[in-house]
Amino acid sequence: DVKVTQSSRYLVKRTGEKVFLECVQDMDHENMFWYRQDPGLGLRLIYFSYDVKMKEKGDIPEGYSVSREKKERFSLILESASTNQTSMYLCASSVGYGAPYEQYFGPGTRLTVT
Amino acid sequence: GENVEQHPSTLSVQEGDSAVIKCTYSDSASNYFPWYKQELGKRPQLIIDIRSNVGEKKDQRIAVTLNKTAKHFSLHITETQPEDSAVYFCAASGAGGGNKLTFGTGTQLKVEL
Repeated sequence: DVKVTQSSRYLVKRTGEKVFLECVQDMDHENMFWYRQDPGLGLRLIYFSYDVKMKEKGDIPEGYSVSREKKERFSLILESASTNQTSMYLCASSVGYGAPYEQYFGPGTRLTVT
Repeated sequence: GENVEQHPSTLSVQEGDSAVIKCTYSDSASNYFPWYKQELGKRPQLIIDIRSNVGEKKDQRIAVTLNKTAKHFSLHITETQPEDSAVYFCAASGAGGGNKLTFGTGTQLKVEL
């Protein structure tokens, strides 16, 4: 049973703070993803990683960075949090290179920036 | 890049009726089309997927159809039940992105008793 966990369910931060969101998967998946979910906008890809220390920009990378030092862990960093980054953040992982496979999602972190 | 449009944004049906959700995609090289269900307060979970070498796939009350020529795919739920009430997301994986998915904006399905 695949398990994807995220460090916090709810987080409140102040404008300008540096924010770290952590995601851990226990299935030895090569691929990991960070999405943000906003009402009416669906899930939008921020960054993804297909291997340790590898990362690629998604559709909305501005204001975010990521780190993948170990295969099981993928961190999302908000360098200087802003109110427009208030959102639900979802991490996901999937197996394999090449052909796409099912993505397994974490429970999400609801971030509020005040 | 890939663009996925999903309709309708909300759908209300009577229990036992069928529900259909439609999506279109822009990248003709896309080859993988999953559907996710997200219940209130929970994480999205895959319910069915289809690859571009198949035109239709069924799993009990759920089916997905794919028309590559028209670049659209649809989710069909028959004999709807209250537990089908959720937000449904379609997605497409473009050839250039490998495992990257582009999601539609979601459909809120409500099954009324």
